[in-house]
Order: sequence, then C-alpha cells, then structure tokens
Amino acid sequence: DAKTTQPNSMESNEEEPVHLPCNHSTISGTDYIHWYRQLPSQGPEYVIHGLTSNVNNRMASLAIAEDRKSSTLILHRATLRDAAVYYCILGSSNTGKLIFGQGTTLQVKP
Amino acid sequence: NAGVMQNPRHLVRRRGQEARLRCSPMKGHSHVYWYRQLPEEGLKFMVYLQKENIIDESGMPKERFSAEFPKEGPSILRIQQVVRGDSAAYFCASSPRGQGYEQYFGPGTRLTVT
Repeated sequence: DAKTTQPNSMESNEEEPVHLPCNHSTISGTDYIHWYRQLPSQGPEYVIHGLTSNVNNRMASLAIAEDRKSSTLILHRATLRDAAVYYCILGSSNTGKLIFGQGTTLQVKP
Repeated sequence: NAGVMQNPRHLVRRRGQEARLRCSPMKGHSHVYWYRQLPEEGLKFMVYLQKENIIDESGMPKERFSAEFPKEGPSILRIQQVVRGDSAAYFCASSPRGQGYEQYFGPGTRLTVT
C-alpha cells in the first residue's frame, strides 16, 4: 500500500487560512488522494478527495501537485471547530480500504 | 438523509462473552467497511463488504471475528469470546460505490471488555 507523510502537528489562528501538506511520492496512477478528519471522540469525517485536478467543496480545497507526489489541503478560514486530526490517505481504485496513518493534529487558537 | 447509524454506541462485555455490533449504512449505499481504533492508536481497516459478499477481509483477525452484510438489514460485526485486547472503538463506514469513492463514517461503537 502506498504511504503518505504528514507533519505530526500544526497550529493555526482562528479565521486564518491553513495549508496542511502531504507527501505521497510512491503514489500510483490509479490512487485517489483522500482527506478525512477526526474530531475528538467522533468517527472520521470525509473532507475531500481528488485524482489529478485541484478540487473545491464547501469544506476545503485540495491542491494536487502536477507530478501527484504531494498535495495540500486548504482550509480557507480556520474555526475552532476545525481542530481535529487530519488524515491524508491514498485510496486505490483496486480496493476500497483506507489505510490511515498518524495524521496531522491541527490546533486552532482563538 | 440519515447518516450511518451504529448501535449500540457503548457495549460492555465480560471476557468470554460475544459482542455483536450493528451498522446501518446511508440510504442507497451498498458498500460497508469496518475499522477498529485501539486506545491511543490509529484507525485500522478490518473488512469491506458489499451486499451478501465479503470483498476484502485482509484486516480481520483470523479467529473469533466475523462480519456479514445480508440482503436485508444492517451489517453485523461479531466478536466471539471477547478478550481485554478487543476493547476499542469500532467504526463502520458506507459508500455509494466501491473503490475510490468517499466513505461516510458512523459515530462508532465503543467496546469495553472487563
């Protein structure tokens, strides 16, 4: 299974943008890039996913490097409710399973 | 559209008993995944099911654990003869289609084995 590398933790100030990086140098051509987050004592929550092109939705934006070896999740205006563990995951089109790493713990300061 | 539902939310079992965890996927979703999160550890994939079929059980312990997703009714994760090491949060996720698509997670069942 292809692996991802994320910083263990990041800090942000409330109402400022947050850029969460992810490296996935061994990504294969059929791997989707998924982002999920998990708030304390809750189940993971889908955030966004993409294959090659940048993606936007109501929660965030996903910027994918041209060579697909890295990506960045962008939260445009962080709120206190965005404090969570963010997971960058490569989802193979051959299997359905998600392989969770340690993720990035995001702290948002008021 | 109701989200993924799991019950019970909390389950306490004594060593040697059986635990049955239920998952009702979102309406229209026929793909179900089970994950386990041990205390202070990350989420680990257990099994992927599509109606009446096990697609991938590569993460399931070889003994005592089984899963099913019948044509009618919820998906069931069954743990026989529970041990203390089974204490964890068990999350179910569903997807409208399989590989490559987003998964929607339930709130989890927290199993405590005493």
